[in-house]
Amino acid sequence: GENVEQHPSTLSVQEGDSAVIKCTYSDSASNYFPWYKQELGKRPQLIIDIRSNVGEKKDQRIAVTLNKTAKHFSLHITETQPEDSAVYFCAASPTGNQFYFGTGTSLTVIP
Amino acid sequence: SAVISQKPSRDICQRGTSLTIQCQVDSQVTMMFWYRQQPGQSLTLIATANQGSEATYESGFVIDKFPISRPNLTFSTLTVSNMSPEDSSIYLCSVDETGARGGYTFGSGTRLTVV
Repeated sequence: GENVEQHPSTLSVQEGDSAVIKCTYSDSASNYFPWYKQELGKRPQLIIDIRSNVGEKKDQRIAVTLNKTAKHFSLHITETQPEDSAVYFCAASPTGNQFYFGTGTSLTVIP
Repeated sequence: SAVISQKPSRDICQRGTSLTIQCQVDSQVTMMFWYRQQPGQSLTLIATANQGSEATYESGFVIDKFPISRPNLTFSTLTVSNMSPEDSSIYLCSVDETGARGGYTFGSGTRLTVV
């Protein structure tokens, strides 16, 4: 099956700075790449996604880039705020509905 | 997006026993998915539950240990059988909304502790 690697595992940034989380995947058939945010004790929530026919997608302070050739995609959060502190998971889907998740990045935004 | 009710929300069980987790969706969905999230870890797909057919299990997960039912398009159950402390985890069901809003919607999860 698909294998998704995610880096870094922990990330601390000052409020207002940018945060970047990177993921790589192994299955060239993967064509859908969502990102999830999970706050402590809560369920994962979709924050942004990208499909393989698009190289970049942006939603306010959050953006995702995809390089299909290199099989990697990244999450960019600009102007970070304390409420951005959470665990972020990337995922890849070769089937369109079965997702394989990365190992997670614990982001801490320091006020 | 779909609203998913999952129960129980948590349970403490004796080793060797079984627990059945229920997942109810407020709309009809073709596929439902069951995930496991061990403490501080990522989400691992256990199986895909299709209505009217056998569930499809991922490598490392077997039907005898995690039997799944899918009697209709809004409901599914996952049973964790013959539990051991290693089964202590959060179990989440999810539905696919990639055709609509995108991605998964997750249930609130079942926190299982096996003692």
